[in-house]
Amino acid sequence: DQQVKQNSPSLSVQEGRISILNCDYTNSMFDYFLWYKKYPAEGPTFLISISSIKDKNEDGRFTVFLNKSAKHLSLHIVPSQPGDSAVYFCAASAPGNQFYFGTGTSLTVIP
Amino acid sequence: DAGVIQSPRHEVTEMGQEVTLRCKPISGHNSLFWYRQTMMRGLELLIYFNNNVPIDDSGMPEDRFSAKMPNASFSTLKIQPSEPRDSAVYFCASSSGGSYNSPLHFGNGTRLTVT
Repeated sequence: DQQVKQNSPSLSVQEGRISILNCDYTNSMFDYFLWYKKYPAEGPTFLISISSIKDKNEDGRFTVFLNKSAKHLSLHIVPSQPGDSAVYFCAASAPGNQFYFGTGTSLTVIP
Repeated sequence: DAGVIQSPRHEVTEMGQEVTLRCKPISGHNSLFWYRQTMMRGLELLIYFNNNVPIDDSGMPEDRFSAKMPNASFSTLKIQPSEPRDSAVYFCASSSGGSYNSPLHFGNGTRLTVT
């Protein structure tokens, strides 16, 4: 059973616009959330994280929002660039537990 | 730092053969994870080690899969005998501190094809 879900397998966005990637989770014990970016033939690389004591974390063009009541997090990329085209995975963990990953969303930024 | 190093990058083998995947974690990291990526299930955790000790192997599909970590700088994932449904990309990752809130650092993966 998938505890972390990314319901959009793919997303296309024009360069310069905002990209919004969504992620839902089912386990209310999760309190640490991460986003990873993956290029073809490479391993996922850590992008940004957020703990449950916050509802927003920003790093340059990337912002992660957490809505604990809805068990939902999102990644905003503004402005989107062609180099952002990749597969994005969200992940979640709870104390003393492993990381659970979603199935990924493939983002294409159109020049 | 060289990052997490996995070998081989690609492995093609016939059904029934033994396959061994190798991983060198980042120096100083004390947690090591093996993941498998498939289209249907995304990244699935197979097993993870903390200080070279297996902590959770509940994700190992069946007895055909085994993993070892003989020392802090090396781990193997073995499949014996291999089957076509084992075809996937296998990732190794490491983290520092052994804490659940330390980001994982992934290797570039081994693409396994079993014919």
